[in-house]
Amino acid sequence: AQTVTQSQPEMSVQEAETVTLSCTYDTSESDYYLFWYKQPPSRQMILVIRQEAYKQQNATENRFSVNFQKAAKSFSLKISDSQLGDAAMYFCAYLVEEGGSEKLVFGKGTKLTVNP
Amino acid sequence: DAGVIQSPRHEVTEMGQEVTLRCKPISGHDYLFWYRQTMMRGLELLIYFNNNVPIDDSGMPEDRFSAKMPNASFSTLKIQPSEPRDSAVYFCASYEPETYGYTFGSGTRLTVV
Repeated sequence: AQTVTQSQPEMSVQEAETVTLSCTYDTSESDYYLFWYKQPPSRQMILVIRQEAYKQQNATENRFSVNFQKAAKSFSLKISDSQLGDAAMYFCAYLVEEGGSEKLVFGKGTKLTVNP
Repeated sequence: DAGVIQSPRHEVTEMGQEVTLRCKPISGHDYLFWYRQTMMRGLELLIYFNNNVPIDDSGMPEDRFSAKMPNASFSTLKIQPSEPRDSAVYFCASYEPETYGYTFGSGTRLTVV
């Protein structure tokens, strides 16, 4: 079964600094998608960034970037110039194809605190 | 598009009562997913539909849980009878395969007392 592991239940960072959130996953597939979602206190699940496994280039979205290590099955999220609004739960997710459909499998999440 | 719309946003009910959660997916999205989020178990997939047909309900915890999708624009998740351990946030998400676009609703926080 595919699993997603986030080994850091909580992380903290100073405003304007950089923080990296870890994620590893288990799969036997060669082509798949990985995601990072942000869940602020409002509860809304917000897509932060997406990575296609067949692309070697790491995805970036403004201050958010990933370090995708396919062989190591690692997919970490780097947040640069952290802002107070970045404080949230962050979930790593893997898109699994089963029965002709795709469904997301989530890690347990990392709670990020941004200190002013 | 208003996105995925869930109602109610909060629900408090007494143990033994029937609870119905509602979801309106994004128009044109063929897939609809129901997830449950708890502190202990994180986000769990309960059931998903493709073109209104239930495809996989293996995540539904018990027979007390049921879900329907009578048409492409509406789905319900029902718990009857509800129990305190059902307290969680329930998310609905719709999915568009061509763009791998998953969109979540704002969730329903259910509290069973």
